[in-house]
Amino acid sequence: GESVGLHLPTLSVQEGDNSIINCAYSNSASDYFIWYKQESGKGPQFIIDIRSNMDKRQGQRVTVLLNKTVKHLSLQIAATQPGDSAVYFCAENRVGAGSARQLTFGSGTQLTVLP
Amino acid sequence: EAQVTQNPRYLITVTGKKLTVTCSQNMNHEYMSWYRQDPGLGLRQIYYSMNVEVTDKGDVPEGYKVSRKEKRNFPLILESPSPNQTSLYFCASSTDGGPYGYTFGSGTRLTVV
Repeated sequence: GESVGLHLPTLSVQEGDNSIINCAYSNSASDYFIWYKQESGKGPQFIIDIRSNMDKRQGQRVTVLLNKTVKHLSLQIAATQPGDSAVYFCAENRVGAGSARQLTFGSGTQLTVLP
Repeated sequence: EAQVTQNPRYLITVTGKKLTVTCSQNMNHEYMSWYRQDPGLGLRQIYYSMNVEVTDKGDVPEGYKVSRKEKRNFPLILESPSPNQTSLYFCASSTDGGPYGYTFGSGTRLTVV
């Protein structure tokens, strides 16, 4: 079946280092890919998105890369800070069977920033 | 402040006792959705609504009902809760279901014993 998933469930990085969180997807029909951050006790928060016709998009300290050839998505966080500790989800947005847009999430990666 | 409000935040109930989790948004969004979050499975969509009186099943609708009588409210109803519905539930809304402006509530942690 089609799904959005993550390679690793946990990632630990030293404060100040760069973080890379990976995601594999299988649905070629998705036209947007989004990264969400979920802090403990809160709902997911939008970080950055990328359209399927792009390879790279940069935000503040974050970069998303999309490789459509291997159906791979990554989130890079520069100079990781303690406040970046959270669960990160990739998600794909596409028009579903009922003509409504659907947002489908991966299983998440727990990022822990070490002092 | 633009927000999605869910109530209650925490709920412990017994098997078979009907319950409703409320969700309200103040952004005049047409699209609303319910997700459940379980360890290792991410967020899975239960039901969504494109507008008033328009609802449709998501990926895991069994055991749930929803209604959309007003634009701002989208309650999730469990007619006969079972232990496998113990989960963390999130309501979300957006303008049209697209990727932008997708706002989540703070979650409802439900335990069915």
